[in-house]
Amino acid sequence: NAGVTQTPKFQVLKTGQSMTLQCAQDMNHEYMSWYRQDPGMGLRLIHYSVGAGITDQGEVPNGYNVSRSTTEDFPLRLLSAAPSQTSVYFCASSYGTGVGANVLTFGAGSRLTVL
Amino acid sequence: GDSVTQMEGPVTLSEEACLTINCTYTATGYPSLFWYVQYPGEGLQLLLKATKADDKGSNKGFEATYRKETTSFHLEKGSVQVSDSAVYFCALRLQGGSEKLVFGKGTKLTVNP
Repeated sequence: NAGVTQTPKFQVLKTGQSMTLQCAQDMNHEYMSWYRQDPGMGLRLIHYSVGAGITDQGEVPNGYNVSRSTTEDFPLRLLSAAPSQTSVYFCASSYGTGVGANVLTFGAGSRLTVL
Repeated sequence: GDSVTQMEGPVTLSEEACLTINCTYTATGYPSLFWYVQYPGEGLQLLLKATKADDKGSNKGFEATYRKETTSFHLEKGSVQVSDSAVYFCALRLQGGSEKLVFGKGTKLTVNP
């Protein structure tokens, strides 16, 4: 099925551990992004990419790394997890131009708990 | 900076009641405006959008009109159903050059039978 696939759905980490949240889309979308959702804060943009090999920071990038080696994949890396990174993470993608531009397709989310 | 302000929730309504969720924005130029909906346990999905002043977006009985003069994009529905229970997010995309969306904090709607 076409869409945005995120793995894992749930993850528990200890402070200081590292991990990667995976995101893959099969819609040939140029634009991909990562958001975190926290109670009372809405969605905040972490990092985004407008195409393979191009990434940029969003509103809350500290503590996270990204890369975009292919059009399909956009992994989010936590290098040294902190309790403040406990959140629900969403990957979203869209066409960069044209009628579908900015109509984001979201993954189902990854719930991360850092102890 | 650019921002979106939504009415605070949660909002609780009875089935067939009228719904209005207020959304105002601050941005330069002419942003595109969106409403996204998040059903329990799911990711967000586009509900409706408007790309220029006076445009009306509509979907599933929901409507919102892009009002440049009041910088608003209020979401309305004449008769809500239990299945409309969800969190609703207003968002904007700046005119020209950026694919990024700025989201409001979300408004949780619960519709009781």
